[in-house]
Amino acid sequence: DGGITQSPKYLFRKEGQNVTLSCEQNLNHDAMYWYRQDPGQGLRLIYYSQIVNDFQKGDIAEGYSVSREKKESFPLTVTSAQKNPTAFYLCASSQRLAGRTDTQYFGPGTRLTVL
Amino acid sequence: AQSVAQPEDQVNVAEGNPLTVKCTYSVSGNPYLFWYVQYPNRGLQFLLKYITGDNLVKGSYGFEAEFNKSQTSFHLKKPSALVSDSALYFCAVVKNMDSNYQLIWGAGTKLIIKP
Repeated sequence: DGGITQSPKYLFRKEGQNVTLSCEQNLNHDAMYWYRQDPGQGLRLIYYSQIVNDFQKGDIAEGYSVSREKKESFPLTVTSAQKNPTAFYLCASSQRLAGRTDTQYFGPGTRLTVL
Repeated sequence: AQSVAQPEDQVNVAEGNPLTVKCTYSVSGNPYLFWYVQYPNRGLQFLLKYITGDNLVKGSYGFEAEFNKSQTSFHLKKPSALVSDSALYFCAVVKNMDSNYQLIWGAGTKLIIKP
C-alpha cells in the first residue's frame, strides 16, 4: 500500500519534555510538510522540506525542530520551548515543493496532549 | 494579502438535498484551488482541485466545485447529500511566493447532514 504513516496516533507529554512525532511516506515524493491543527482554525505550516538534508521554517516554527535524513522520513520534534503544544499534528507530502499544482497527501495525524 | 475564507462555520443540510460549502479567495496571479475533507480524528483527504480550464471541477465521492473568477469563489457542491458526507471541509489556495508554493487554508466548515 502506498501512503503516509504517522506514529503514534496519540501522545501524552509532561511539561518540559521533548517528544518526537514520526512521519514516513512511500510515495517517492520529494516534498514533505508538517502542519498543526487547532479547533476552529485552518492548518498552520510548521516546517517543510523539498529535499534530503534541507528544510525551511513555516509560519509557526518556534519551539519545533525537524530533520530530513532520508527521503521517506520527516520526523518532527516538539521541544519544551513550545508554549502550547497540545494540538493535532498532520504530516503531508507532495511530488514537488515547487509544483504549484501538485496535490498534498496527508497522513492520519498524531494528537499530542500535554499533561 | 493572499487569503482564503470559508464564511460559514457550519452548514446543515437534510439528507437527499443539494449541499453547498462556500469558499472565497484572494491571491496574486492565477488561483490554484483545492478542497479537502476531514473525518473526526483523521487526516485530510483530497477531494478535487482547480488548475485551469473548465470552471466545473468534478472530484471524489460525487462532489464537484464551481470556480467563479469574477466572484473569486470556489464553492463545493453535491446534488444529493448523504449522512456519510458529514465531516469538516477545508478549502485551500496556493500562495505564490518566490520559487516555492505553499497552501493557504481556510478555517474549515463543519457539514452536518441530517437523516
